[in-house]
Amino acid sequence: EADIYQTPRYLVIGTGKKITLECSQTMGHDKMYWYQQDPGMELHLIHYSYGVNSTEKGDLSSESTVSRIRTEHFPLTLESARPSHTSQYLCASAGEEETQYFGPGTRLLVL
Amino acid sequence: GDSVTQMEGPVTLSEEAFLTINCTYTATGYPSLFWYVQYPGEGLQLLLKATKADDKGSNKGFEATYRKETTSFHLEKGSVQVSDSAVYFCALSSNTGNQFYFGTGTSLTVIP
Repeated sequence: EADIYQTPRYLVIGTGKKITLECSQTMGHDKMYWYQQDPGMELHLIHYSYGVNSTEKGDLSSESTVSRIRTEHFPLTLESARPSHTSQYLCASAGEEETQYFGPGTRLLVL
Repeated sequence: GDSVTQMEGPVTLSEEAFLTINCTYTATGYPSLFWYVQYPGEGLQLLLKATKADDKGSNKGFEATYRKETTSFHLEKGSVQVSDSAVYFCALSSNTGNQFYFGTGTSLTVIP
């Protein structure tokens, strides 16, 4: 069973605020990912990391940024939230066996 | 490039009906294949996986066989329950393990 945590689970915030979505895993996985999930269910990769101090942008352009200072921690930051950022954000991690393990998600609503 | 094509939903079945959700893939080499399930309000959970041709993944009554000749990994269950209502995602991990591709998801509703 994978141990990957996301906080907060739900967030309602006003336009222009800075927010950080937290993601932590206790499995020692090198690879971590952030996905944005449409209401229509499709997953879009927005950021990934293959290890400490390594971060890359994914397929979907995003105004968010990420950092990977510690193996277990991969926070995602929005400097100025907008209504278009309203979505569900899923964090995942993977070890050498390739399987991705997901956190419970953060549902963000920007008013 | 690598990709996954998944049967579109939504799918509605009566309890105890047979389920098939089709998934085909395009990939170079020998990818690993996965099915994930997402219950309402939650993240994705690994349901089953197969790492080489002819492997069969199985879990909770669900099965899928890695068919290289038809590039398919269809999900099946002989008798669905109301508790199986969820969204199901087919996924592929490339040869290198550094790229992961998801299908668009299939919503399943099982009615009593």
